[in-house]
Amino acid sequence: QVQLQESGPGLVKPSETLSLTCTVSGGSVSSGSYYWSWIRQPPGKGLEWIGYIYYSGSTNYNPSLKSRVTISVDTSKNQFSLKLSSVTAADTAVYYCARDGPTGYQDYWGQGTLVTVSS
Amino acid sequence: EIVLTQSPGTLSLSPGERATLSCRASQSVSSSYLAWYQQKPGQAPRLLIYGASSRATGIPDRFSGSGSGTDFTLTISRLEPEDFAVYYCQQYGSSPETFGQGTKLEIK
Repeated sequence: QVQLQESGPGLVKPSETLSLTCTVSGGSVSSGSYYWSWIRQPPGKGLEWIGYIYYSGSTNYNPSLKSRVTISVDTSKNQFSLKLSSVTAADTAVYYCARDGPTGYQDYWGQGTLVTVSS
Repeated sequence: EIVLTQSPGTLSLSPGERATLSCRASQSVSSSYLAWYQQKPGQAPRLLIYGASSRATGIPDRFSGSGSGTDFTLTISRLEPEDFAVYYCQQYGSSPETFGQGTKLEIK
């Protein structure tokens, strides 16, 4: 059973960089069958896809965030990470990491981690 | 990007009743790459349906999906108490992937 777990600071100051890591167990980020995604959900609102990465390092980002987002992968640690720069209060959200199934839907999700942007 | 509009925003039904949730896309969804998720308070979304009509592993057969092109439907044949939650549709055929705004299914 694949499990994903997000980790990182729960509070980030405006204009700084949000950094989160997703640790995968029960599966491998090096599997060529899957992509690995980040998705966020502001409190009380809907879901927004941030982007995904393949084990090779190939990425695809949401154009609405592309200028501020970097997703990377560390196959030796079976982890992938999210960096979001120049954050504002609008970036306050629960951030989820997830595995993309063979054609792109998210079949396994982490429990999510709330990141608050505030001074 | 493809905009997904879900209706109704809130659906009030009783256990045992049939629920029909709609998801309409602003343009055709490639290869019926349309998924449905269920989300309960404080939990991550759970995949119910992918490819418009394929049930994910472990999902009861009272959940079914249908549709193609721009119109998709999630049907719950007989509501169980644990089915009351928020449901999201998602298209993953065109980048960026996008989600609908959600339908809240509440107990009447």
